[in-house]
Amino acid sequence: EAQVTQNPRYLITVTGKKLTVTCSQNMNHEYMSWYRQDPGLGLRQIYYSMNVEVTDKGDVPEGYKVSRKEKRNFPLILESPSPNQTSLYFCASTPSAGTGYEQYFGPGTRLTVT
Amino acid sequence: QKEVEQNSGPLSVPEGAIASLNCTYSDRVSQSFFWYRQYSGKSPELIMSIYSNGDKEDGRFTAQLNKASQYVSLLIRDSQPSDSATYLCAFLPRRSGAGSYQLTFGKGTKLSVIP
Repeated sequence: EAQVTQNPRYLITVTGKKLTVTCSQNMNHEYMSWYRQDPGLGLRQIYYSMNVEVTDKGDVPEGYKVSRKEKRNFPLILESPSPNQTSLYFCASTPSAGTGYEQYFGPGTRLTVT
Repeated sequence: QKEVEQNSGPLSVPEGAIASLNCTYSDRVSQSFFWYRQYSGKSPELIMSIYSNGDKEDGRFTAQLNKASQYVSLLIRDSQPSDSATYLCAFLPRRSGAGSYQLTFGKGTKLSVIP
């Protein structure tokens, strides 16, 4: 089954404790993105990757890191989480850039930082 | 000007009616427009994409695009309670840098279909 998976689905952590949220897709897509979704603010892009070893900042990259060592995986790293990073996070993938290519979302990770 | 504007709702329609959702966007050059449906606590699910002016129909859903007016809409005919969700419009702006894919989302319109 073609899908984007994320782990963990739910995470409660404390301020400053490094964490990684994994994302994997089995569709051989070139593009992958991370979003956060907050009430009243909608979906905002954190980082995206155009291919292996190619990443770029989205609209809200502060406090996050990413890496793309393999085409299928795109982990999101919070080196020192803070309460304002409490949010619902989505990973997404797209076959390629340009018109006609649509984005597929993972199930989401609900993160709470206390 | 915000890149994507949507009425946040809630929009309430009776079962069987037509629900009309609207979105305006700022990028005159954009070629790709999408409507996603999101149930509470779930991930966005693509329901329609539209790339050229006019109407595109898929079952009970019709997307309408007017690039001159920078306006895209979604009509849901014969609305069902299961259509109750938040609907996000999104477009692919032409940003600087080749090969980027930065889908920009509206904040969503919450639709309630009343039985």
